[in-house]
Order: sequence, then C-alpha cells, then structure tokens
Amino acid sequence: QVQLVQSGAEVKKPGASVKVSCKASGYTFTSYGISWVRQAPGQGLEWMGWISAYNGNTNYAQKLQGRVTMTTDTSTSTAYMELRSLRSDDTAVYYCARRGSYYCLDYWGQGTLVTVSS
Amino acid sequence: EIVLTQSPGTLSLSPGERATLSCRASQSVSSSYLAWYQQKPGQAPRLLIYGASSRATGIPDRFSGSGSGTDFTLTISRLEPEDFAVYYCQQYGSSQRTFGQGTKVEIK
Repeated sequence: QVQLVQSGAEVKKPGASVKVSCKASGYTFTSYGISWVRQAPGQGLEWMGWISAYNGNTNYAQKLQGRVTMTTDTSTSTAYMELRSLRSDDTAVYYCARRGSYYCLDYWGQGTLVTVSS
Repeated sequence: EIVLTQSPGTLSLSPGERATLSCRASQSVSSSYLAWYQQKPGQAPRLLIYGASSRATGIPDRFSGSGSGTDFTLTISRLEPEDFAVYYCQQYGSSQRTFGQGTKVEIK
C-alpha cells in the first residue's frame, strides 16, 4: 500500500533553516510528483509547491520563492523540503502528498510539526 | 493566483441531514481541475473528489461533487457521524495551486 512517512518534529530559531523528509513506499517513486502543503495552527491549508520525482522539475508558491527548495533522492524514494530564513509565522504542520494520476493529492504523509521560536 | 472562497464557514447539521458546501473561484478553473478534501482533527487531509465530480478510491457514494467554471459544490447526501469534519476545495488547473479556507461541518 502507498505510504508517505515524514521525519519528526523540529524546533528552530528565527533565521534558521529546516529540512523535512518524506519517504515513499508502495509505488514507483519516479512515476509521481510530490507536493508540500503546510497548515499553521488552527488555520487552513497552504500549497507550498511541487517536485517531479521523475526529472526534478519544481514549481514553488510565489510567496515562498527564494526561501524554499524541494529535492528528491530516487535511490531512497525520499523527497525533501528545505525552508530557510525561518520566521515565527512559518510555524506549522508540514505535509508531503503524492500528486496522483489525476494531478490532485491522493496520498498524504502524517505531517511534521515545525515550531519557530526564539 | 486563483482565489477560492468557500461558504458557509460553518455548517451546523444533524446526522442524516444533507450537507451542501460551496466553492467559488475568482476565475475559471481549467478543465474542472477542482478537488475536495476532508480533514479531521489531528489527521492529514483525505482526498474525496477530483476532477470536480469523480469520487476517489474508497469514498462512499453519499459524497458527490458538481460544478464547472467558477462554481463548484460538494454534497453529502446523508450525514454520518464520521462526516463531521472540515472540508477544503483545491484548484490544480493553474501553476499556482490554491486551497479554499475551509468549511467546518459540525454537529447541531
């Protein structure tokens, strides 16, 4: 069965960087893309961007351009999302999700809480 | 960027009642690339509907989606206890994907 397993919770100081991993199993990793979505406490969902696991092409949300980098390691079927210059309003649960055959998000990771606090 | 506006913000209904959720886009959504997700507290979202009207694998037929262009609807024909949750629409027809702000369906 398809599974996306994310890395554990992180606490970071303002200005630092965080890198969250998402290990996929149960399907051919390079046949689908991975999207990243975040959710601030008590708030809605925010799309952060997408990476093709086939060729590494990326498409980032405009508001995060320059601060976010998404990568994949096909040898381990793992996707990564790095966010730099962290601010307090980056505190959120970060989800990875598979971009399925119909281009929507059909399987989700369990989420990773990133807390930014001095 | 396409802005999605969901209404109402909160829907208070009883089990067995019909729920109708709206999602309106600021511009036409290409090829009806509109999805609906359900999220329960402490859980990741779950895909319900894609392509505006197609149910995802394993989704009960009490969930249905309709609409095109700028106006989309998610209908739950008879609410079950497990359906009380927050529902989000998302458009994936433009390069900048966006979500609506969510509709909470709560027990009356």
